[in-house]
Amino acid sequence: EAGVTQFPSHSVIEKGQTVTLRCDPISGHDNLYWYRRVMGKEIKFLLHFVKESKQDESGMPNNRFLAERTGGTYSTLKVQPAELEDSGVYFCASSPSIVPDSSQETQYFGPGTRLLVL
Amino acid sequence: DAKTTQPTSMDCAEGRAANLPCNHSTISGNEYVYWYRQIHSQGPQYIIHGLKNNETNEMASLIITEDRKSSTLILPHATLRDTAVYYCIPGYGAGSYQLTFGKGTKLSVIP
Repeated sequence: EAGVTQFPSHSVIEKGQTVTLRCDPISGHDNLYWYRRVMGKEIKFLLHFVKESKQDESGMPNNRFLAERTGGTYSTLKVQPAELEDSGVYFCASSPSIVPDSSQETQYFGPGTRLLVL
Repeated sequence: DAKTTQPTSMDCAEGRAANLPCNHSTISGNEYVYWYRQIHSQGPQYIIHGLKNNETNEMASLIITEDRKSSTLILPHATLRDTAVYYCIPGYGAGSYQLTFGKGTKLSVIP
């Protein structure tokens, strides 16, 4: 079974440009999450999709970030326009359908996209 | 969410057991304790989780104190590939499913 995949693995762009990151979750997983680690900081939650709906986007830093999950399969995270402080590693994770006891959810992470904004 | 305290770093000799402690004294009664790790340049990886009882799987064992205020992750025979940052994460935020990563413990397995 294929794991969570992310594309691209690396991206170098200039300040002010647009970058779109893609995440393909494990097939059949309804839940999809985005996290990021900016330089020297801890891994932080960005948002959570349940199928195509945004369940929680409390971690999105500002309106330069737009996440979509059309059709409830893959997801994209667009940064427009990119700023220097957006540099870091962006992780995607997925988990199966919600179970009655939500504390038993296990998240499976992709390898991340390393974004460098110059 | 419960707060956690973990040592910043630990060393372990290859082949020996690695015991990684975590203090989570504010954990609530229905919060699980999850352990994840991040090997350099990879995404975080789930290891194990538990609520009250000790748990064991193919990767590790988890010992939770009776008062649930602390836990210890045990890697029984550490290998060089276990060098990573280990995160102790109690439960999920109320009403959401986000994982709250702290600083974790950097485990270095020494040959």
